[in-house]
Amino acid sequence: QLQLQESGPGLVKPSKTLSLTCLVSGDSIRSGSFSWGWVRQPPGKGLEWIGTVSYYNLSLKSRVTIYLDSSKNQFFLDLSSVTAADTAIYYCMRQGMTTAIDHWGQGILVTVSS
Amino acid sequence: QSALSQPPSASGSPGQSVTISCTGSSSDIGGYNYVSWYQQYPGKAPKLIIYEVTKRPSGVPDRFSGSKSGNTASLTVSGLQAEDEADYYCTSYTGNSNLVAFGGGTKLTVL
Repeated sequence: QLQLQESGPGLVKPSKTLSLTCLVSGDSIRSGSFSWGWVRQPPGKGLEWIGTVSYYNLSLKSRVTIYLDSSKNQFFLDLSSVTAADTAIYYCMRQGMTTAIDHWGQGILVTVSS
Repeated sequence: QSALSQPPSASGSPGQSVTISCTGSSSDIGGYNYVSWYQQYPGKAPKLIIYEVTKRPSGVPDRFSGSKSGNTASLTVSGLQAEDEADYYCTSYTGNSNLVAFGGGTKLTVL
């Protein structure tokens, strides 16, 4: 059974880089049928697609890097120059070819504050 | 501001049907049959309930159905149950490098 688990710091200082890891079990991230990526949700607000390894949300593109480590079956999110507006629950996810997101991690709350 | 527009709230009584709309443009919903719907309970991760406009993943009750007309997609929940009370989000492929747009979400209340 496919499982995704986020990890990383829960608190990041403004202007620094937010870095998260998603460990995948039950499937290989080398699978060509799916993409691996991130979605976020500010507290009490809606969902925002951040991107996958190949495509990024244009509004975040200048600050986002998503990359894989196939040897460890995990992938990563780096978001640079963070501000309080980046405070959110960050979900890692698996996305199909038709953009349906069929598996989600449980989410990790990241707060940007000094 | 979300690229796709959903009503912020919807409601219905147990046993009734309720329909939630998701309005986009010819560049997203109207141009592709790649609309998905997600159900999210408070404090939980979203769950895929509809993909490719009308398809249901295994295990999703057939009370949930999806459709599309022009630039608007719809999610219908028939035979409302208390457990259907949740937030619902639509997404669509956008045909450009932004790839995926989310709707703003609809809070469904079962009266």
